[in-house]
Amino acid sequence: DAGITQSPRYKITETGRQVTLMCHQTWSHSYMFWYRQDLGHGLRLIYYSAAADITDKGEVPDGYVVSRSKTENFPLTLESATRSQTSVYFCASSDPFWGTTEAFFGQGTRLTVV
Amino acid sequence: AQSVTQLDSQVPVFEEAPVELRCNYSSSVSVYLFWYVQYPNQGLQLLLKYLSGSTLVKGINGFEAEFNKSQTSFHLRKPSVHISDTAEYFCAVSGGGGSNYKLTFGKGTLLTVNP
Repeated sequence: DAGITQSPRYKITETGRQVTLMCHQTWSHSYMFWYRQDLGHGLRLIYYSAAADITDKGEVPDGYVVSRSKTENFPLTLESATRSQTSVYFCASSDPFWGTTEAFFGQGTRLTVV
Repeated sequence: AQSVTQLDSQVPVFEEAPVELRCNYSSSVSVYLFWYVQYPNQGLQLLLKYLSGSTLVKGINGFEAEFNKSQTSFHLRKPSVHISDTAEYFCAVSGGGGSNYKLTFGKGTLLTVNP
């Protein structure tokens, strides 16, 4: 399927466990982003990537790790999950150098840390 | 650094009434501006965007927005809303013409259209 897909859609994990959220896009967009959405905070940028093997921190990177070995994949790992990381996570992609200035979003992953 | 302020967290309106959702931004460079809509349990969809040129931008579903550089605003308007417009709306900004293509979002405005 074309587009940007996130998996899983829903995840419950325990405090202290490592969990990885997956993001895959089929457009070969250069930029990919991870946001978290929390009530009263809107969307906050966790990490972003301008190309394969190039990543940078966003506004709220603590407790998260990303990698981008292939252009189409941008997994987000919570190294040791905490309850404060309970949130809805959105992956997005864009390609401003080819005219795609807007970001296209996945359907989100709802993560609950208990 | 860039930031976005959405002045109203909630806007209730009656069906067929006009609506304006307000957005102000701050940035030290030229910007791209966006409005996104999020329906319940879904991702974000682009409503419209301003990159350059005409300051009045038309989007999908009858929405439009006006870029005002002097007031650093990008307010979203619709002349007559429908029940189906009930959703959360996000204003966003990214750096234009440079290497900063990160999107910075406002906190969102929940539009509730009542019959």
